[in-house]
Amino acid sequence: KAGVTQTPRYLIKTRGQQVTLSCSPISGHRSVSWYQQTPGQGLQFLFEYFSETQRNKGNFPGRFSGRQFSNSRSEMNVSTLELGDSALYLCASSLEGEAAGNTIYFGEGSWLTVV
Amino acid sequence: QKEVEQNSGPLSVPEGAIASLNCTYSDRGSQSFFWYRQYSGKSPELIMFIYSNGDKEDGRFTAQLNKASQYVSLLIRDSQPSDSATYLCAVTNDYKLSFGAGTTVTVRA
Repeated sequence: KAGVTQTPRYLIKTRGQQVTLSCSPISGHRSVSWYQQTPGQGLQFLFEYFSETQRNKGNFPGRFSGRQFSNSRSEMNVSTLELGDSALYLCASSLEGEAAGNTIYFGEGSWLTVV
Repeated sequence: QKEVEQNSGPLSVPEGAIASLNCTYSDRGSQSFFWYRQYSGKSPELIMFIYSNGDKEDGRFTAQLNKASQYVSLLIRDSQPSDSATYLCAVTNDYKLSFGAGTTVTVRA
């Protein structure tokens, strides 16, 4: 059974550019969530989608956006990149999301460096 | 008050010993509780999850949950050098995981 797949794994962008990251959840999983991990802030929640609907959003500026497609695949976009956006972006998938007993698995992440 | 707090590290234990990790959380509505292991430069790897009060054992790992005390712990028995990593406690609420800062464990041979 394939795990959570994130692409691209590594990328370097210039300040002011935008970036799109992709996530394919485990087959059958309908909840996809995104997290940002930095050395200073740890793991922070960005947003969660279930059946193409955003159910929760973290405290990030509007430059961060996401969406989910009918096949449960998800993308997140960061516009007008800043140096502080350099981080590991992680996608997690689960069957339903929050319900007790639902396991939540992470992909390998996308390493973004903004120069 | 942080949503999830873990005992500060780093934690150094000899090979073969028990490593004990603790975590407290603030939201009584949290339903599921997770322990992830993260090696440097890698993504978090799920090692245990628990959602009912009591103990749950899986191999050398035991998770304990006490919802009344809002406390969850992880015991690693017979610690091995390969257990050296950062352990992240996470709880679910409002369709998201809230993470602790992590405890770095070093198992010395």
